[in-house]
Amino acid sequence: AQSVSQHNHHVILSEAASLELGCNYSYGGTVNLFWYVQYPGQHLQLLLKYFSGDPLVKGIKGFEAEFIKSKFSFNLRKPSVQWSDTAEYFCAVNPNNAGNMLTFGGGTRLMVKP
Amino acid sequence: DGGITQSPKYLFRKEGQNVTLSCEQNLNHDAMYWYRQDPGQGLRLIYYSQIVNDFQKGDIAEGYSVSREKKESFPLTVTSAQKNPTAFYLCASSLSSGGTTDTQYFGPGTRLTVL
Repeated sequence: AQSVSQHNHHVILSEAASLELGCNYSYGGTVNLFWYVQYPGQHLQLLLKYFSGDPLVKGIKGFEAEFIKSKFSFNLRKPSVQWSDTAEYFCAVNPNNAGNMLTFGGGTRLMVKP
Repeated sequence: DGGITQSPKYLFRKEGQNVTLSCEQNLNHDAMYWYRQDPGQGLRLIYYSQIVNDFQKGDIAEGYSVSREKKESFPLTVTSAQKNPTAFYLCASSLSSGGTTDTQYFGPGTRLTVL
């Protein structure tokens, strides 16, 4: 069965530090990839998504992610975090032959200290 | 205001009781989903529905049931057969479930606690 791994469960950074959250998946075929974010007390919302084309994807709020097919990875990055980025981040994978079904990683809880 | 609503926000239930969680969307989406969120485990799919009067089991359907009598509504019943029902439940919808490029939109969630 396919799986999605987010190795960092908790990350603590100071404001202006750079962020990279890891995401690896175990599906060998063509996939669509997503990062969702859940701010405290808010709905889960889409940060960015990759379907095809340029493997470097830009999302909202200055986030970007790079799809590296050879490494089965889709890491999320931000050059300089803000206190308002404190949230839980989820990577999700959708194999192209699975309709719209998503498999989520376990999530990474990010805390940014002011 | 378009979106997905879930009620109630917090729900308490005694062991042995069934409880139904509400999910309504006014986005005119065909597909709807129910996920369960547990700390460190991300979201796991319970049930999904591609069209009215049709639904499919997800990865962890045991102890749950759903119905889809209307396009905008997809209630989830947590039955007494669910061994570990305390969790945060999220409902989502997408324009369709056949197209792999459809983004899923999520509701605010219901936190269920079994006492």
